[in-house]
Amino acid sequence: DAGVTQSPTHLIKTRGQHVTLRCSPISGHKSVSWYQQVLGQGPQFIFQYYEKEERGRGNFPDRFSARQFPNYSSELNVNALLLGDSALYLCASSLSQGPGSGNTIYFGEGSWLTVV
Amino acid sequence: QQQVKQSPQSLIVQKGGISIINCAYENTAFDYFPWYQQFPGKGPALLIAIRPDVSEKKEGRFTISFNKSAKQFSLHIMDSQPGDSATYFCAASNGGSQGNLIFGKGTKLSVKP
Repeated sequence: DAGVTQSPTHLIKTRGQHVTLRCSPISGHKSVSWYQQVLGQGPQFIFQYYEKEERGRGNFPDRFSARQFPNYSSELNVNALLLGDSALYLCASSLSQGPGSGNTIYFGEGSWLTVV
Repeated sequence: QQQVKQSPQSLIVQKGGISIINCAYENTAFDYFPWYQQFPGKGPALLIAIRPDVSEKKEGRFTISFNKSAKQFSLHIMDSQPGDSATYFCAASNGGSQGNLIFGKGTKLSVKP
């Protein structure tokens, strides 16, 4: 069974550029969340989408945006890249919105973004 | 403001020993407390989770102990094995809200053979 798949796995961008990261959730999962993991830190919540609507947003600037498509896949977009945006970007999927018993949150292996 | 504090930052344990990782939280609205295991180059994988209506949950060699009054919870890994060497993250969430997880900073565990 396919898990959460993310692309690209690695990419290098220049300051000021734009990046789009893509995520396909586990089949049947309708909730997708995005997290940023800086080296040596725990993941930080960026966005959650459920049934194609934004259901939550973390403390990130407006340069970060996301959307969910009718097939429940998702894109994370980051504009005007800064050096500090260098991180592992994780996508997570779950059956429904909130975590808890019976609604495990599964993470993909992430997209490594390096901004130079 | 960090809402979940995790310690220690790193831990070295001999094979067969007990690994103990501690977390403390501040928000009393949190009602779901998972632990994730992350190997280098991989995404976090759910290990075990607990809700505050129980004080302990055991799955194989992994046990969560939960102290609601102290707002603390811990992960115990019994009979630690070299294959357990990874980074462990505690997390917390208010499942009634947007459902996002708030993670601790992680503990890098090394189990020596």
